[in-house]
Formats: sequence, C-alpha cells, structure tokens
Amino acid sequence: GDSVTQMEGPVTLSEEAFLTINCTYTATGYPSLFWYVQYPGEGLQLLLKATKADDKGSNKGFEATYRKETTSFHLEKGSVQVSDSAVYFCALSVKNTDKLIFGTGTRLQVFP
Amino acid sequence: DVKVTQSSRYLVKRTGEKVFLECVQDMDHENMFWYRQDPGLGLRLIYFSYDVKMKEKGDIPEGYSVSREKKERFSLILESASTNQTSMYLCASSPRGGQTSGNTIYFGEGSWLTVV
Repeated sequence: GDSVTQMEGPVTLSEEAFLTINCTYTATGYPSLFWYVQYPGEGLQLLLKATKADDKGSNKGFEATYRKETTSFHLEKGSVQVSDSAVYFCALSVKNTDKLIFGTGTRLQVFP
Repeated sequence: DVKVTQSSRYLVKRTGEKVFLECVQDMDHENMFWYRQDPGLGLRLIYFSYDVKMKEKGDIPEGYSVSREKKERFSLILESASTNQTSMYLCASSPRGGQTSGNTIYFGEGSWLTVV
C-alpha cells in the first residue's frame, strides 16, 4: 500500500545552518505531496505542496521538489531560525481519494 | 481563515467510560477526518467522512465510532475507553476535490486524551 518514510529525528541544528529532512514515498500513480508543520501545542498546518513531478513547493524559505525518479520530496531550508523548531510531517494524497497518508514526523530543534 | 475547532483540549477519562470528542469546521467542507497522533507512529487515520451521514473506516478504526449528522460537525466516539487509547486526537477537514488539485487538509489544535 501507499506509504511515506521520513528520516528519524530529532534533527538538531544551530541557527543559520542548512536544513535537509528526507522524505521518500511509495504510491500507486502520481500522488500530490505535502509538508506539514506542527509547532509546540498546536495542530498541523500546511507548509508547502507539489502536485506533479518536478514541481517545487516553497514557503517561508522552505523548499521541496517532487522527484518522481527517486520517489522523494526532501524538505530544505538554507538558513534555519530558532522559530523553525517544530515537528515536520511529509504526506501524500491517496489516489482517487481525499485522504492523506503521513510519515512519522521529524522533530527539528534549532539552537541560538 | 479556515477554522477547525475541537471542543476539548485536555480530557482525563476512566477505563470503560464512553468518550465523545467533538469537532466543528466553519468552511462548509465536505470531508472531515479523525486522526490519532502517537510518538514514533505519526498520524494514523481512524475514520473519515465525505458527506453528512457518510463514513469510511481508516487504518485503525477498532474501538472507535463516528457520527456526522450535520455537515459542520464530526464526532469521534470511544464506546469503552481503554488505556491504549491514551493519545492526541486531531480533527481535520478539507474540500472535496481529489489529489489532482492538491487539496490540503486543515487541522484543529488537537485533543489530548488520557485514559486511566
């Protein structure tokens, strides 16, 4: 069945460091791909998305490119801030439904 | 802004109690979802509803039921709470449209349930 695999956390970085959080997927057909972020004590909110191969989603300095050949959607940011500390979830949409399947989440901790 | 409101942020219930978790959305979305979030397991879909009075099992429906009598409201019911149902429960909603349009899901803030 469809699934999403994320790198285990926590990821610990100093402020202004480069961030990569890996995400790979298995799916039937060509799903849409998403990154959601959960700040402490809050629900999830959409960070960025891509709906077809080679699309690049971007928001708040974060980027991810839909790579069909490697079935990946890695999240990157050139210079992280303390305020980026959160849990990040990669997700895909199940073909012909409105359901999302989520990865296990990766906690990011950024220190000054 | 889309708003998904979960009525209780923190609940403590006893084993065997019947528990209701309520969720309301104000954007006239067709789809509503209940997820459970556990460390190391991410979000797992319990049930979802794509219309009033319609429901479909997710990946982990055992021990849960749902009710959707009105479009804006989706209730999760634990018929007889057990300690392994201690978790964070997230409600979500989305417009109908399928994956080709890249529809996003909007989440509530979550309900922390502890069963003792």
